[in-house]
Amino acid sequence: GAGVSQSPSNKVTEKGKDVELRCDPISGHTALYWYRQRLGQGLEFLIYFQGNSAPDKSGLPSDRFSAERTGESVSTLTIQRTQQEDSAVYLCASSLDRSRETQYFGPGTRLLVL
Amino acid sequence: GENVEQHPSTLSVQEGDSAVIKCTYSDSASNYFPWYKQELGKRPQLIIDIRSNVGEKKDQRIAVTLNKTAKHFSLHITETQPEDSAVYFCAASYSSASKIIFGSGTRLSIRP
Repeated sequence: GAGVSQSPSNKVTEKGKDVELRCDPISGHTALYWYRQRLGQGLEFLIYFQGNSAPDKSGLPSDRFSAERTGESVSTLTIQRTQQEDSAVYLCASSLDRSRETQYFGPGTRLLVL
Repeated sequence: GENVEQHPSTLSVQEGDSAVIKCTYSDSASNYFPWYKQELGKRPQLIIDIRSNVGEKKDQRIAVTLNKTAKHFSLHITETQPEDSAVYFCAASYSSASKIIFGSGTRLSIRP
């Protein structure tokens, strides 16, 4: 079946602009994660959605970052007033249920802030 | 909170030799330990995982060992091949309601 998809695949924006990144998880997956990966670096946790529970937002680096997910479907990550240090690949992952299951990663959105 | 430390950060081995990557975790309640492989420019993919009720798991050339007393787990790759070159991430999770915590990654290079 279809895997995790993300859009856009690449995004170039100017400093100060807002951007919205989209993640379509695998159908039926209740858990969804967002990560940030800077060039040559590790996976930086941003936010975690699990079913209808309140999301774990402990990884969001500032109040410019926010994410939403409606039910068990699409999630959007919004970065307001982008800064150059926001440039990175933003990865989304979903898992069947709970965090103790295999995470399936999307291809990522490569964000470049000029 | 939960913390996962991974080392080494880089590892270079001769083709055919073995590679070992080690991780330690802080929360003794952790009970699920996956390993992900990320090839250059690609997304991370699960290669093997282990749960706390077993001490070792093997899948062809890859094995993972878990020492719950010492709170560490390791990835072993035998007979390394060029296609094993990638960044490897360990991770730990301790409950169905908690997020998975990743280590900082190990860049493995296989020398021909």
